[in-house]
Amino acid sequence: TQLLEQSPQFLSIQEGENLTVYCNSSSVFSSLQWYRQEPGEGPVLLVTVVTGGEVKKLKRLTFQFGDARKDSSLHITAAQPGDTGLYLCAGANTNAGKSTFGDGTTLTVKP
Amino acid sequence: GAVVSQHPSRVICKSGTSVKIECRSLDFQATTMFWYRQFPKKSLMLMATSNEGSKATYEQGVEKDKFLINHASLTLSTLTVTSAHPEDSSFYICSARSGYEQYFGPGTRLTVT
Repeated sequence: TQLLEQSPQFLSIQEGENLTVYCNSSSVFSSLQWYRQEPGEGPVLLVTVVTGGEVKKLKRLTFQFGDARKDSSLHITAAQPGDTGLYLCAGANTNAGKSTFGDGTTLTVKP
Repeated sequence: GAVVSQHPSRVICKSGTSVKIECRSLDFQATTMFWYRQFPKKSLMLMATSNEGSKATYEQGVEKDKFLINHASLTLSTLTVTSAHPEDSSFYICSARSGYEQYFGPGTRLTVT
């Protein structure tokens, strides 16, 4: 059974601070996705990384896929209250079948 | 692109009745859809994998006779909660696979009174 461990589980910071969320596994994934979910809504796909060592940037968000494709990180620069939400990582090995989801990181950015 | 809709967004039903939730991929075809249940401040709990034209695959501990899943077309999967009880109250979310990625619906809040 493949597992994805996310850390930290909860994170509360002030507006303007930087933060990093980690997603780690002992298994190799062909691709990894990051999602953000707001209360009462479905998760929204932020990014997909597929190549070991890949770095993708989405405005103030930087995503990195580990060289061995076993881990990933999400770094947010100068966090804003609008970044508040549940961040989920998910690993996939094929373009069929289920993905493995991490337990999520609940981020609260205080103004 | 890659939009998934879910209906209804909220439903309140009486104990003992059945409720059907629809999940549609609006701009792509999905041979595989997934149904999740989410508890407050928790991650997603996979209930079942819905495959077009075949029986759904249920996760361990999920009662297939209680949570009926039908995936009759490449754009529609339905989840029916039969003989609902208050403990079935939850947030149910569907997703549809497109390549490596899953795209999620907005979720359905089910309250059983």
